[in-house]
Amino acid sequence: QQQVKQSPQSLIVQKGGISIINCAYENTAFDYFPWYQQFPGKGPALLIAIRPDVSEKKEGRFTISFNKSAKQFSLHIMDSQPGDSATYFCAATSGGTSYGKLTFGQGTILTVHP
Amino acid sequence: EPEVTQTPSHQVTQMGQEVILRCVPISNHLYFYWYRQILGQKVEFLVSFYNNEISEKSEIFDDQFSVERPDGSNFTLKIRSTKLEDSAMYFCASSPQGSVGNTIYFGEGSWLTVV
Repeated sequence: QQQVKQSPQSLIVQKGGISIINCAYENTAFDYFPWYQQFPGKGPALLIAIRPDVSEKKEGRFTISFNKSAKQFSLHIMDSQPGDSATYFCAATSGGTSYGKLTFGQGTILTVHP
Repeated sequence: EPEVTQTPSHQVTQMGQEVILRCVPISNHLYFYWYRQILGQKVEFLVSFYNNEISEKSEIFDDQFSVERPDGSNFTLKIRSTKLEDSAMYFCASSPQGSVGNTIYFGEGSWLTVV
């Protein structure tokens, strides 16, 4: 019940295209859903996050879509650039004392070809 | 931008040896965490720490693991008797507060190889 399932494992997109990564969760106590970007040799860095009281959040080229009833959320990267090539992790956590206990998805390796 | 710093970046140790991984969280942060990532697998939560005590720990964080904040700046993870399966990247993280919406910042990791 604590799992977060992420797909696809890898994704190849042409420059300028849209990258879409999907995640699904089971634990209805989760109420914060961040996406992290990780470059080789670096730690995960927060990209964008959403709470379940909104269905969409946009920051620049990055958009999270959230479907509470389906317990699914996705990351859309518009106008994908070669510099976006990285591993992307969705994550989820609940509030209270468990806030820092992020449950991560398996990760998606994104490659954007020039 | 302030960052979480970790040392060493890479350590090789013999099975059964003790290892201490060190972290300097961002200076005004109050909550501290350790995560690990076994090669090719997802990032997994180990432990959270606040006000000089463990707030929460995962099933992975058994008696061979301990954490400490020995002074006002460092946060350490000790593995008492390392096993081959402890080989992983260990990430330290910190956040200003422990409530929803507070960004959790990760360090660059310490890669531990147990031989």
